[in-house]
This record gives sequence, structure tokens and C-alpha cells, in this order.
Amino acid sequence: NAGVTQTPKFQVLKTGQSMTLQCAQDMNHEYMSWYRQDPGMGLRLIHYSVGAGITDQGEVPNGYNVSRSTTEDFPLRLLSAAPSQTSVYFCASSYSTNGRLHFGNGTRLTVT
Amino acid sequence: AQSVTQLGSHVSVSEGALVLLRCNYSSSVPPYLFWYVQYPNQGLQLLLKYTSAATLVKGINGFEAEFKKSETSFHLTKPSAHMSDAAEYFCAVSDAGGTSYGKLTFGQGTILTVHP
Repeated sequence: NAGVTQTPKFQVLKTGQSMTLQCAQDMNHEYMSWYRQDPGMGLRLIHYSVGAGITDQGEVPNGYNVSRSTTEDFPLRLLSAAPSQTSVYFCASSYSTNGRLHFGNGTRLTVT
Repeated sequence: AQSVTQLGSHVSVSEGALVLLRCNYSSSVPPYLFWYVQYPNQGLQLLLKYTSAATLVKGINGFEAEFKKSETSFHLTKPSAHMSDAAEYFCAVSDAGGTSYGKLTFGQGTILTVHP
């Protein structure tokens, strides 16, 4: 049982480039979400999904797009990378609305 | 809107000493409260959660937390620190009304250092 799998683990981008961070879960969880972690700021919600075909914005959605075509996958797209998007990104999933999240191991992104 | 404040970005204790990590929350509805731990280069793991049952919640690795509504607090404690407890700890809150949809609001995190 792999849980929540994120790829890649590390990525370096130049300003203006685009890329997709992949997230897959094999627990058949309805709820999935993306957070970014920055020093001294905890984790902040970027986007979330309550099921296939349904997504919504979180606290810091600007510069990011998501889609949810299947229950398993929830990719995060950076449209035009900026240095302010240098961060560690975590994908999480949950089977219920009680808030317990299962996290991936993160993607460390550097934008130069 | 919900918010979480963790008092102290860094806490340092000696091995065997009491661990106390402080968390205060603000929520307009009854909350669910969580403590997560993050070891270096890993994702977050759930330590314990409060979901309106017993106010004293026991978690993994000897940690526990007490929900105090009058103080809007959910402090994390462990009677005797171990070297393996060194990590970053996050307090988080969600809406207990069933509409959290897996979304949490996190505190800023507290890095725990344990000295031999």
C-alpha cells in the first residue's frame, strides 16, 4: 500500500517555465489537497478537491491550476514559475470530512 | 475564519525532561484539532486528534494533548523527552461541522530540539 505518492522529489525551474507536480493516492480517498510549506508559515492550502471533477481554491491559489479527472490523481500545475513559488509542496488525501490527512513526502521546488 | 497560533518557533529540552508545545486556536464553530509531526525530509504524520469526545487525547509515541475550550488551547505534552522526538510539530484545526473536506488550517510550526 503506497499511500500518497508525489513526484518529482526535487525540481529546479527557471522563472517563466511551467511544470506539473504529480500526486497519486491508492486509498480511494475522496478528498485531496495541495499545501505549500514555507519557513515560519506552516502549511498553507493551495487547492483542494472533494471528488473527481470537483476542485476549489484554498488560501493561496494564484499561479497554480489543478484538475481531478480520476479519484486517484490530483496534479498541480505551475503556469509560469516565479521565485515566490520556491517552496516545499505537499499533497494530502482524506477519506472523511473529519480532517485527518495522509501526506506525501513532498516536492522541493526551487525557482531561479 | 479559523486560525492557529503556536507559541515558540523553537523549543529545546534535555532528554528525559517534560515536553510542552503550546497551541491556541480561533474558530467560530466547534473545532476538530490535530497535532502532526514532521521528521526531516518527510511528510507530516498524525500524532493525535481531538474530535469532541474526551478532552484529554492520547496519541502515539507517548504524546498527549488536552482540549481546553475556556482557554481555546490544545497544548501538546510528553512527560519524558527522547532523542527521537526531535522534529517539527504542527498544530492544526478544521471545521467540526462536517464541511472541512480534508482542509486544515495549520499553525506556524515548532521545532523541538532534544539535548543529551
